[in-house]
Amino acid sequence: DVKVTQSSRYLVKRTGEKVFLECVQDMDHENMFWYRQDPGLGLRLIYFSYDVKMKEKGDIPEGYSVSREKKERFSLILESASTNQTSMYLCASSPLDRWPQHFGDGTRLSIL
Amino acid sequence: TQLLEQSPQFLSIQEGENLTVYCNSSSVFSSLQWYRQEPGEGPVLLVTVVTGGEVKKLKRLTFQFGDARKDSSLHITAAQTGDTGLYLCAGDNQGGKLIFGQGTELSVKP
Repeated sequence: DVKVTQSSRYLVKRTGEKVFLECVQDMDHENMFWYRQDPGLGLRLIYFSYDVKMKEKGDIPEGYSVSREKKERFSLILESASTNQTSMYLCASSPLDRWPQHFGDGTRLSIL
Repeated sequence: TQLLEQSPQFLSIQEGENLTVYCNSSSVFSSLQWYRQEPGEGPVLLVTVVTGGEVKKLKRLTFQFGDARKDSSLHITAAQTGDTGLYLCAGDNQGGKLIFGQGTELSVKP
């Protein structure tokens, strides 16, 4: 069974802090994705990566960066957290032909 | 910008009723996926439809892909309380990304 593991289920941080969200997948998938999920807006793509050290911007990359140093790990970084980044963050992975995507259980991040 | 409009956004029904959720776009998708998400968990894939006009059944759930591959529907027959959750459609535009609808929050009451 595919397993996508996000390091934290809940996280509370302060405005201005640098925040790291970690994601690990165990299926040797080429593609990895970071989304944020807000009520009524569905899932919006922040960044995705199709190979180690490769990344592409999604629909809402502002205020975020990513790192993929190893194939199984994809990190999302909030450079200077702001209150409007309070949200549910979902990581996903998929094989090279892009579907299906397998999701982690999410990190609910609150920025105070 | 490609969009997927999902409706209704909220649906509250009694156990045993039937319901349909719609997913519409002006864009053509190479495939369309339906996910279900329960509180505190990530979305889980229910089905992928690929061919225009395709119909797939998963027990009491019936999924249809429009002939032009621009729209899809999910029909649930005789809903059960265990069907409660957030249903998401997502289109694959072959651009390397999935486009998600806003989601339908389904509540099935006993």
